[in-house]
Amino acid sequence: EMQLAQSVAEVKKPGESLKISCQGSGYSFSNHWIGWVRQRPGRELEWMGIIYPDDSDTRDSPSFGGRVTISADKSLNTVYLHWTFLMASDSGIYYCVLSTKTPAGTEYFFDLWGQGTLVTVSS
Amino acid sequence: IQMTQSPSIVSASVGDRVTITCRASQRVRYWLAWYQQKPGKAPKLLIYSTSQLETGVPSRFTGSGYGTEFTLTISSLQPDDIATYYCQQFHSAPVTFGGGTKVEI
Repeated sequence: EMQLAQSVAEVKKPGESLKISCQGSGYSFSNHWIGWVRQRPGRELEWMGIIYPDDSDTRDSPSFGGRVTISADKSLNTVYLHWTFLMASDSGIYYCVLSTKTPAGTEYFFDLWGQGTLVTVSS
Repeated sequence: IQMTQSPSIVSASVGDRVTITCRASQRVRYWLAWYQQKPGKAPKLLIYSTSQLETGVPSRFTGSGYGTEFTLTISSLQPDDIATYYCQQFHSAPVTFGGGTKVEI
């Protein structure tokens, strides 16, 4: 069974750094695009970016202006989302998302979601 | 591409037919997905490429449309269908989601 297991909730102060993780299992981790979607209360779901673990080819959403970095360690079947400088507006639930069925020539939809990691940034 | 869902809330009875609409600001061909999110849970894929039912999803869920207008229909609402439903276009980067439709009984 395909699964995505995310790291636990985090409480941070503005200006701090943070790396959250997501471990995939039950499928060929290196050979499927895996990424992140943010959900903030009362706001739309926001796609942040996606990575192909085999070669670390990464596609980022311009909406996040380079404030986050997505990386993957295929030896650990794990993808990461990293901030160097958190802001209060980064508070939200971050979902790890897997794309295994996207047709060639299109962008991505997500057939598996992790359980979510709640990030709270507050002074 | 902006995705607009309507209505934002729908109240219906068990057994009712429920229809949710999703409109795209530009044509996205067939490249539209629908997700179901129950309270406190992650979204779950229901339908992709407008009308393809994800494995294990009940057949009372159907999707249709093309271009800029799409619908998700629940043919006979069940208590387990209480959730918020989101559409998502995957025609162009960045992929974008609708604002959600909450289905209540």
